[in-house]
Amino acid sequence: EAGVTQSPTHLIKTRGQQVTLRCSPISGHTSVYWYQQALGLGLQFLLWYDEGEERNRGNFPPRFSGRQFPNYSSELNVNALELEDSALYLCASSATGTGGRQPQHFGDGTRLSIL
Amino acid sequence: AQKVTQAQTEISVVEKEDVTLDCVYETRDTTYYLFWYKQPPSGELVFLIRRNSFDEQNEISGRYSWNFQKSTSSFNFTITASQVVDSAVYFCALNGGNEKLTFGTGTRLTIIP
Repeated sequence: EAGVTQSPTHLIKTRGQQVTLRCSPISGHTSVYWYQQALGLGLQFLLWYDEGEERNRGNFPPRFSGRQFPNYSSELNVNALELEDSALYLCASSATGTGGRQPQHFGDGTRLSIL
Repeated sequence: AQKVTQAQTEISVVEKEDVTLDCVYETRDTTYYLFWYKQPPSGELVFLIRRNSFDEQNEISGRYSWNFQKSTSSFNFTITASQVVDSAVYFCALNGGNEKLTFGTGTRLTIIP
């Protein structure tokens, strides 16, 4: 069974640019989560999508947004990139409607560097 | 608000020694779920174990064991007879039922050959 896949693996951007990160969940999983792992800040919850809808959002500005497609894959968009957006962005998936019972399974992440 | 504290930032032990990673959590939820994840140098987070708030039975899986004590809000993780491949950053996490994982700051474990 294929795990959570993310693309690209690495990305280098400059301040002010926009970026799109992609995630494909494990087959059968309908919930997709995005987390940011920035140096010194730890793992922070960004967004949760389920059945195509945004269900929960972490404490991030509106320039962080995303969507979930009918096949449950997801995109994370970050506009007006700032230096502090440099981080490892991790996507996770789980079965839906479990109230947190099921573990979230993570991809390898996209490492975003802002110059 | 939920909070997970991993007071040990870094631990180094010699191979074959036992090591315990501490995790203390705070939550107002009556039902919640606790997790341990491992992050090797390659970066991916690997799920290790999940515990329900209403199940305090401790668990052993091979060289890994977990001690969940609701009275002290702790969910500690022990590796017995450590191996070099156990070197990684270990994260404790809490889910209060809103599908959002709150992570601790992680403990970097180094096993010295």
